Amino acid sequence: AQSVTQLDSQVPVFEEAPVELRCNYSSSVSVYLFWYVQYPNQGLQLLLKYLSGSTLVESINGFEAEFNKSQTSFHLRKPSVHISDTAEYFCAVSPLTGANNLFFGTGTRLTVIP
Amino acid sequence: EAGVAQSPRYKIIEKRQSVAFWCNPISGHATLYWYQQILGQGPKLLIQFQNNGVVDDSQLPKDRFSAERLKGVDSTLKIQPAKLEDSAVYLCASSLDRREGTDTQYFGPGTRLTVL
Repeated sequence: AQSVTQLDSQVPVFEEAPVELRCNYSSSVSVYLFWYVQYPNQGLQLLLKYLSGSTLVESINGFEAEFNKSQTSFHLRKPSVHISDTAEYFCAVSPLTGANNLFFGTGTRLTVIP
Repeated sequence: EAGVAQSPRYKIIEKRQSVAFWCNPISGHATLYWYQQILGQGPKLLIQFQNNGVVDDSQLPKDRFSAERLKGVDSTLKIQPAKLEDSAVYLCASSLDRREGTDTQYFGPGTRLTVL
């Protein structure tokens, strides 16, 4: 069974400040890891994913996440946030084998304050 | 490339009524998913189709929920009769091929259902 924990339901941060959104997971099998973002009134969009190889993955808009197997974590970071980053962020896992099912955390609402 | 389309965007019904949601996946995507997202929670998979066959419906409340993808393209999710706890956003997603765990799922905008 898989489960994903996002401890912070809301994270307010000032514009141009750094941010970290935490994600921990539990799984009896190896998993792929994902971050999805949901902007206001829009559908979920894939932000970045870890499949294999380098444990540090980056998105095109400056976010990065690092897979830490020993701590079963996949925290999302950005060194300097913009107003446009205000959104809900979901961490998810998918087992390496079997169906391509996503198991989501409860989400973290990031609010960037001008 | 057109994204995943869903309709309606919003629906308000009274409990014990019936409701249906429609989804049209990205062209060429073999796999289609329906998720339920209750306020304050992450999306939860209800059912997964591979072409027109059901792959996983273990989380679907089959006494009231049903879904079909008859021609392996668009899909309909139905609730009959609705309960108050069915109030949620219903998300449809599609991917090229479920057999690849690396396959990206693309989500539609969702249908927000309110049951009064």
